[in-house]
Amino acid sequence: EAQVTQNPRYLITVTGKKLTVTCSQNMNHEYMSWYRQDPGLGLRQIYYSMNVEVTDKGDVPEGYKVSRKEKRNFPLILESPSPNQTSLYFCASSLLAPSTEAFFGQGTRLTVV
Amino acid sequence: QKEVEQDPGPLSVPEGAIVSLNCTYSNSAFQYFMWYRQYSRKGPELLMYTYSSGNKEDGRFTAQVDKSSKYISLFIRDSQPSDSATYLCAMSALVSNFGNEKLTFGTGTRLTIIP
Repeated sequence: EAQVTQNPRYLITVTGKKLTVTCSQNMNHEYMSWYRQDPGLGLRQIYYSMNVEVTDKGDVPEGYKVSRKEKRNFPLILESPSPNQTSLYFCASSLLAPSTEAFFGQGTRLTVV
Repeated sequence: QKEVEQDPGPLSVPEGAIVSLNCTYSNSAFQYFMWYRQYSRKGPELLMYTYSSGNKEDGRFTAQVDKSSKYISLFIRDSQPSDSATYLCAMSALVSNFGNEKLTFGTGTRLTIIP
């Protein structure tokens, strides 16, 4: 089954404790991206990757890091989480550019206290 | 001003009604227009995809794009309780492997179909 898998689904952490949210896709897609979804603000892109070892900032990259060492994986790293990073996070992948269909993961609800 | 504006609702309609959802946008470079449906506690999934202006129909769903007015719509006929979800419009400038042709999303409209 074609899918994008994120882990964990729910996470509560404390300010400053490094964390990683994993994302993996099994569709051999080139393009992957991370979004955060906040009430009244919609989905905003954090980082994206056009291919292995090619990543770049989206609209709201501050406080986040990513890596793309393998085509299927695109982890999101919060080196020192802060309460304003409390949000619902989605990983997405597309065959090519995001103008083609984007497949989303189930989401990770992160709370930073 | 946001690039894409979408009424957040919530919108409640009786089962069987025709639903109209809309977005306006300001970036005239947008060429690809999409509607995503997001059920509670799930990720968005693509519902309709339209290139440039015109209409596209898929079963009970019709997507309309009016580039001259910078306005897109999604119509749902014979609405069902299973259509209850948040509907997100999304737009992109062009398809390419070069540069970030990112999707710009509306904030979503929460729709409830009442049995």
